[in-house]
Amino acid sequence: DVKVTQSSRYLVKRTGEKVFLECVQDMDHENMFWYRQDPGLGLRLIYFSYDVKMKEKGDIPEGYSVSREKKERFSLILESASTNQTSMYLCASSLTARSNQPQHFGDGTRLSIL
Amino acid sequence: GNSVTQMEGPVTLSEEAFLTINCTYTATGYPSLFWYVQYPGEGLQLLLKATKADDKGSNKGFEATYRKETTSFHLEKGSVQVSDSAVYFCALIVSGGYNKLIFGAGTRLAVHP
Repeated sequence: DVKVTQSSRYLVKRTGEKVFLECVQDMDHENMFWYRQDPGLGLRLIYFSYDVKMKEKGDIPEGYSVSREKKERFSLILESASTNQTSMYLCASSLTARSNQPQHFGDGTRLSIL
Repeated sequence: GNSVTQMEGPVTLSEEAFLTINCTYTATGYPSLFWYVQYPGEGLQLLLKATKADDKGSNKGFEATYRKETTSFHLEKGSVQVSDSAVYFCALIVSGGYNKLIFGAGTRLAVHP
């Protein structure tokens, strides 16, 4: 079974802090994704990566950056956290870019910015 | 553009009732279609998928058929259980799009004994 592990289930940070969310997958997947999930808005794609050191903006990249230095690890960075970034963050991975490959999700990080 | 529309929840059913959650989509080309489930406090799990027209995905008693003519992928289960209480997401991937998922807003299902 594919295992996608997010480093924290719950995280509380302060406005203006730099925040790192970590995600690791153990199945040598090429693609990795970061989403945020908000009530009534569903899941929205922030960034994704299709290879080491490669990244692409999703639908809502403002205020975020990402890093993929190793194939198994994909980090989401909030450069200067703001209260409107309080949300559930979900990481996912998929084997390749072929459209019939499902994404596998981690358990999520519930981030609160005070 | 590409989009997914799901019926609004919550859907409240008694145990052993029949379930239908409607999902329709708009997409360029020929998408692959998915249903994901999110149990309380957890991430999303793939429930089933269909990759071409008339395919039927099935898992754990749930079924959905890819209907190209009506651009629909409705989720059904003949007899729900309390343990099926969760949020269900319909989603699609369009080929050539780096495998990006486009989600519906999700439908919360509550099953009572």
